[in-house]
Amino acid sequence: DTGVSQNPRHKITKRGQNVTFRCDPISEHNRLYWYRQTLGQGPEFLTYFQNEAQLEKSRLLSDRFSAERPKGSFSTLEIQRTEQGDSAMYLCASSLTGSRDYGYTFGSGTRLTVV
Amino acid sequence: SQQGEEDPQALSIQEGENATMNCSYKTSINNLQWYRQNSGRGLVHLILIRSNEREKHSGRLRVTLDTSKKSSSLLITASRAADTASYFCATDKGSNYKLTFGKGTLLTVNP
Repeated sequence: DTGVSQNPRHKITKRGQNVTFRCDPISEHNRLYWYRQTLGQGPEFLTYFQNEAQLEKSRLLSDRFSAERPKGSFSTLEIQRTEQGDSAMYLCASSLTGSRDYGYTFGSGTRLTVV
Repeated sequence: SQQGEEDPQALSIQEGENATMNCSYKTSINNLQWYRQNSGRGLVHLILIRSNEREKHSGRLRVTLDTSKKSSSLLITASRAADTASYFCATDKGSNYKLTFGKGTLLTVNP
């Protein structure tokens, strides 16, 4: 296991198109998180899953955003009808319940540019 | 919303010097964590300090936590050019393991 994997690394899309990102967490981690980071800012929480259940969604996650983790393994984040304001780095992280002392393991992120 | 506020926003030092970054937060926490982010990459977990701890060390890193002042500091000793990165504090304050990040300190270590 080489850590948290995110694909693609970069995505350029035209405004109005739909995009989907994938995250493969560390296999034994049951918690998975999505964050969004814009230039010069810290990561902002979007949503998280424990196994396949989506337990919390940020108000940042408008109706155009949807996330799934169908079998409690990999997760996808879809943005419909993209807008220029969606341009950001989308970060995925995973952790293990009960391992509060070890922090998150982040992927390298997907950088989205909406033109 | 962002829980932590790092200070300073940017710090430039010479190789070999020590770097100190501060973080303030607003509500009670379970633990506070520090992460490093190299340009355009994901975040790397550096160190975690629990709310009942006051100081913790890991290699060249020293973290302090003052819960009465709701503040933490990260000290990097004998800095290296490879330490150049953004550093974020993050607080774990609830039962859902969700972390809330600050805006970060950009550290530049000049060779």
